[in-house]
Amino acid sequence: EIVMMQSPGTLSVSPGERATLSCRASQSVSSHLAWYQQRPGQAPRLLIYGASTRATGIPGRFSGSGSGTEFTLTISSLQSEDFAVYYCQQYHNWPPLTFGQGTRLEIK
Amino acid sequence: EVQLVQSGAEVKKPGDSLKISCQGPGHIFTYNWIGWVRQMPGKGLEWMGIIYPGDSDTRYTPSFQGHVTISADKSINTAYLQWNSLKASDTAMYYCVSYCGGDCGLDPWGQGTLVNVSS
Repeated sequence: EIVMMQSPGTLSVSPGERATLSCRASQSVSSHLAWYQQRPGQAPRLLIYGASTRATGIPGRFSGSGSGTEFTLTISSLQSEDFAVYYCQQYHNWPPLTFGQGTRLEIK
Repeated sequence: EVQLVQSGAEVKKPGDSLKISCQGPGHIFTYNWIGWVRQMPGKGLEWMGIIYPGDSDTRYTPSFQGHVTISADKSINTAYLQWNSLKASDTAMYYCVSYCGGDCGLDPWGQGTLVNVSS
């Protein structure tokens, strides 16, 4: 089973600033990596797939990069609605389609 | 907007059985896999298993195998997650989600079904 590890656990950033979230896989997942946003009380929402492709309707301030074992989600200018929990997930080798433990993005 | 619609919240006692459902558009149940994800209170997302409604090919995460059953009825575009004997530790939100099987991510998601198991 591929283990996904996210860092940091909690990230405090001011509105308007940039946030950088990291995800590491225990073995190569090529570019088969997705990012999800979960706001309080809501279901997760797909943001990025293929490591860098934005899902339909996702604003351009969200960008993903990386391949192999190291990945990054960048939010270029934080809006109030962006403060949420973010998960990475690999679909290179499944089952299972494993998730990271999540990064909580909070207002500084 | 494509959606998966899940059945409502449940309150059960330990030892009870339960079957929750997830319904969606025909094209999802024809071409995609349907997965189930557990989220325990205040915790992260855990992948439970997945089914291809077209031929009922089902794959479980080992930690969930034997405790839950995933099934689907393609004729009514519905997937199910079932327990024969609930435990208090099954208290969680359960999400269904669609997966194309390739380079696409998990989308769309159901709204979630809250299961509360308490004596």
